[in-house]
Amino acid sequence: DIQMTQSPSSLSASVGDRVTITCQASQDISNYLNWYQRKPGKAPKLLIYAASNLETGVPSRFSGSGSGTDFTFTISSLQPEDIATYYCQHYENRPWTFGQGTKVEIK
Amino acid sequence: EVQLVDSGGGLVQPGGSLRLSCSASGFTFSIYDMNWVRQAPGKGLEWVSFISSTSSATYYADSVKGRFSISRDNAKSSLYLQMNSLRAEDTAVYYCARAQSAAAIFDFWGQGTLVTVSS
Repeated sequence: DIQMTQSPSSLSASVGDRVTITCQASQDISNYLNWYQRKPGKAPKLLIYAASNLETGVPSRFSGSGSGTDFTFTISSLQPEDIATYYCQHYENRPWTFGQGTKVEIK
Repeated sequence: EVQLVDSGGGLVQPGGSLRLSCSASGFTFSIYDMNWVRQAPGKGLEWVSFISSTSSATYYADSVKGRFSISRDNAKSSLYLQMNSLRAEDTAVYYCARAQSAAAIFDFWGQGTLVTVSS
């Protein structure tokens, strides 16, 4: 199985800060990587698919990059409504696995 | 508006069975592949099972293979997960999730239903 390693596991930043989360795959997954946002008590929401494609309706402050084994998710200017846990997920082959999550809090 | 409504969770004893349902609306259910994904307390997300749009293909995570069975009824726009021989480690919130195009890109999720396996 492909292991997805996210870092950091949590972070605290101020409103307006640039926030970066990394996700490393245990083997080459090309660009078969998605990013999700999960707020407490709510369903996960797709933000980025195929490593760098913004899902329809998602604010442009969210972005993704990378290919192969190393990927980055960025919030260019953190907003209070961005408080959530973020997950990466690969879909190169089954089983499709997720990173352990990064909890983002406001400082 | 796309909506997925999960139901059927509850408290069940180890070794017991439960059937989860996911009712879909706001899109043509019959042309989309569907999945179940779960999240155990304090843990991350785990993909559980996949079913193709026509039910011709089903796949399972090793952790549930042989115990869980996924199915769908396109006439009713509904997805199901039959869970047998339940274990404590199956305790989780279970989400149905729609797959975008032919890839495992989960573009819409249900709100989840909690399954608790405990004596």
